[in-house]
Amino acid sequence: DVKVTQSSRYLVKRTGEKVFLECVQDMDHENMFWYRQDPGLGLRLIYFSYDVKMKEKGDIPEGYSVSREKKERFSLILESASTNQTSMYLCASSLGGGTNGYTFGSGTRLTVV
Amino acid sequence: ILNVEQSPQSLHVQEGDSTNFTCSFPSSNFYALHWYRWETAKSPEALFVMTLNGDEKKKGRISATLNTKEGYSYLYIKGSQPEDSATYLCAFRGYSGGYQKVTFGTGTKLQVIP
Repeated sequence: DVKVTQSSRYLVKRTGEKVFLECVQDMDHENMFWYRQDPGLGLRLIYFSYDVKMKEKGDIPEGYSVSREKKERFSLILESASTNQTSMYLCASSLGGGTNGYTFGSGTRLTVV
Repeated sequence: ILNVEQSPQSLHVQEGDSTNFTCSFPSSNFYALHWYRWETAKSPEALFVMTLNGDEKKKGRISATLNTKEGYSYLYIKGSQPEDSATYLCAFRGYSGGYQKVTFGTGTKLQVIP
């Protein structure tokens, strides 16, 4: 069964901490994405990557960075966590090409206190 | 920012009822429309990808139609079952600023009451 695995289901961090959210896919997909989901808002794109070591800003990149050193792994980094980054974070991957859907991870619910 | 709207936000139906909901999107610069089902505590799961005006897709009791000229897609569930309870997301893929961009709707949360 193909998978996108996110390292943590629930995470509680303190304001100012550096936070790493890890995502691994086993489908050899070129594209990987980080979204956040907040009540009343659609999934909002933070960053995406279409190849190893490549990254592109999404709609809300402020306060985040990413790393893609290997094809299967895409990490989201909160340099200095703030309470407004409390959210559900979803990782997704897809093959290249515009009609391919996404395979999502099960999400990480991050609470920053 | 591309405007993708889903309605209703939520609905409750009795087991056995049929139901439908709407995804509205820009009628220009269309590339594809995706539907996902997101059950609580699980990953969103791809249902359909639709690319052509007039497309109809079906998977068991769930079907979807697409009208790109007027910018909407309908998702239908026939004879709803409790296991259909989930949030249904649509995602519009279109051209924006010369490149493809995917914009998700806020979802329709369906609860099927046994």
